Amino acid sequence: EIVLTQSPGTLSLSPGERATLSCRASQSVSSSYLAWYQQKPGQAPRLLIYGASSRATGIPDRFSGSGSGTDFTLTVSRLEPEDFAVYYCQQCGTSPYTFGQGTKLEIK
Amino acid sequence: EVQLVESGGGLVQPGRSLRLSCAASGFTFDDYAMHWVRQAPGKGLEWVSGIGRSSAGLGYADSVKGRFTISRDNAKNSVYLQMNSLRAEDTALYHCAKGFGSFDFWGRGTLVTVSS
Repeated sequence: EIVLTQSPGTLSLSPGERATLSCRASQSVSSSYLAWYQQKPGQAPRLLIYGASSRATGIPDRFSGSGSGTDFTLTVSRLEPEDFAVYYCQQCGTSPYTFGQGTKLEIK
Repeated sequence: EVQLVESGGGLVQPGRSLRLSCAASGFTFDDYAMHWVRQAPGKGLEWVSGIGRSSAGLGYADSVKGRFTISRDNAKNSVYLQMNSLRAEDTALYHCAKGFGSFDFWGRGTLVTVSS
């Protein structure tokens, strides 16, 4: 099983700042199968990034993804109030598909 | 409008069974793989199982292997999760989701509580 480790566990920032979230895999993940999701309280997760770097439909361009192999990054260039949520990375290239444990992005 | 509506959750005793359903609409159902993902209260996301367009299995999480079975009925635009030998640790909100390579739409979930 591929284990995804996200860091930090919690990130405290202010609106307007830049957020950098990390996802490290225990073995190499095809970039085609690395995704990022945002989840707000009481809501279903929403796909932000697929294929490591492609934005999903309707996702603002302040969200970007990068990385390859075992190290992937989600960047939010300028935080808006609605961006404070929990973020998960996921690999679906090798079954069982796995999620990271999540990074909580909170308002400082 | 894409919709995924889960049903079938509830309170069940340990060791008993439950069958979850997910009704899909707003897209060509048999073009997509479908998945079940669960979230225990206050915890993160856990992929449970997935099924390909023509019912080829995509596997199970180790935690449910041998107890849960995923299936789909393309004529009814539905995916199912048969859950047997339920345990307290299966208590969670169960979401269905569509996609291959990433899950581009999720349902709101159905709550399963396993308790005596």
